[in-house]
Amino acid sequence: ETGVTQSPTHLIKTRGQQVTLRCSSQSGHNTVSWYQQALGQGPQFIFQYYREEENGRGNFPPRFSGLQFPNYSSELNVNALELDDSALYLCASSLGGALTYEQYFGPGTRLTVT
Amino acid sequence: GESVGLHLPTLSVQEGDNSIINCAYSNSASDYFIWYKQESGKGPQFIIDIRSNMDKRQGQRVTVLLNKTVKHLSLQIAATQPGDSAVYFCAEISAGGTSYGKLTFGQGTILTVHP
Repeated sequence: ETGVTQSPTHLIKTRGQQVTLRCSSQSGHNTVSWYQQALGQGPQFIFQYYREEENGRGNFPPRFSGLQFPNYSSELNVNALELDDSALYLCASSLGGALTYEQYFGPGTRLTVT
Repeated sequence: GESVGLHLPTLSVQEGDNSIINCAYSNSASDYFIWYKQESGKGPQFIIDIRSNMDKRQGQRVTVLLNKTVKHLSLQIAATQPGDSAVYFCAEISAGGTSYGKLTFGQGTILTVHP
């Protein structure tokens, strides 16, 4: 186990709704990255937070937003949900900001949008 | 654009055989390449990494080979065990450019090990 936890495990939402996913990073890690993994695909980078600030963003629209708290836990918020947002959402924690390739992943939150 | 892709989407082997999983990448500016293992219902698990200035790195039962000339990466698993059955992803990360600070994953190879 990596020590990275995510909640909830599964979630079902309706198109147009909003959702908040949560991640607790591994002890001592100050960087959290979020990824979206569609079925049968590799994870796609959404954004990264380092010391409570966004530190890089992938090709995702502004309705994907996030926060990092002083204890380095993080939230991913998605507004105006679309059917294509159905995916496994993974967070990964690491130490040291951007070039931290040793990222430790949580088990993910499975989001289904109907 | 940048991409990291795999030649074979599925691989079936017998227990005890050696497995080789391949990956092609297109971003010549990548600084690190990493292999992840993802079991059903779990997040990706770090297996081994290699810096771009190396061509081979060995771990416990695993070896990663990097050929920068043809932009090819491979993961070799020795004496494959049923517990190795999973989806394997290659990923890259760069110190600059549009990939800065983010892992870019390939599509994945499903490895099935038969007892």
